Amino acid sequence: DGGITQSPKYLFRKEGQNVTLSCEQNLNHDAMYWYRQDPGQGLRLIYYSQIVNDFQKGDIAEGYSVSREKKESFPLTVTSAQKNPTAFYLCASTIDRVRQVFGPGTRLTVL
Amino acid sequence: SQKIEQNSEALNIQEGKTATLTCNYTNYSPAYLQWYRQDPGRGPVFLLLIRENEKEKRKERLKVTFDTTLKQSLFHITASQPADSATYLCALGNNAGNMLTFGGGTRLMVKP
Repeated sequence: DGGITQSPKYLFRKEGQNVTLSCEQNLNHDAMYWYRQDPGQGLRLIYYSQIVNDFQKGDIAEGYSVSREKKESFPLTVTSAQKNPTAFYLCASTIDRVRQVFGPGTRLTVL
Repeated sequence: SQKIEQNSEALNIQEGKTATLTCNYTNYSPAYLQWYRQDPGRGPVFLLLIRENEKEKRKERLKVTFDTTLKQSLFHITASQPADSATYLCALGNNAGNMLTFGGGTRLMVKP
């Protein structure tokens, strides 16, 4: 089955630590996205990538970094500069740049 | 700035009735509007897309309307079932970029 996998499902971070969230897709999609979702709120775009080795900042990129070395992979690093990282993180991809397919999400908690 | 409003209060309805969810937007001229379903702790799932030149779209028990004058979309689920209970998100996009702007979602509870 084709789809998007995210790991880990739950992640705990101590203050001052960098952590990396994994996102892999086997859908052969060009564009990939990272969103953050806080309780009761909509999705906010962190970063997106339309092609390998290229990515753009979204609305809330500060404190985050990404890479896109392979078409299948789009990892997100939450750095210590992100002061309020506790949230639900969603990775998505799209082949037609309209409808998006989402992964199962990673819930990050700062201890 | 762009703003998308969905009713933040949960919508409670009885099984078999029609659920109607609202999505209003301001400061935006979307080329299309999408509706997604999200279950607790899971990623959203695409349901329907409607373009700016379309008034209505249907898919099985789902119907979406799009009024660009009122800047509003209505999402209907007919003959609702408890399995329809979830949070429903609307999202707007335009042809100038590849990004979607999401509303905060409305939680639907269908009681048997």
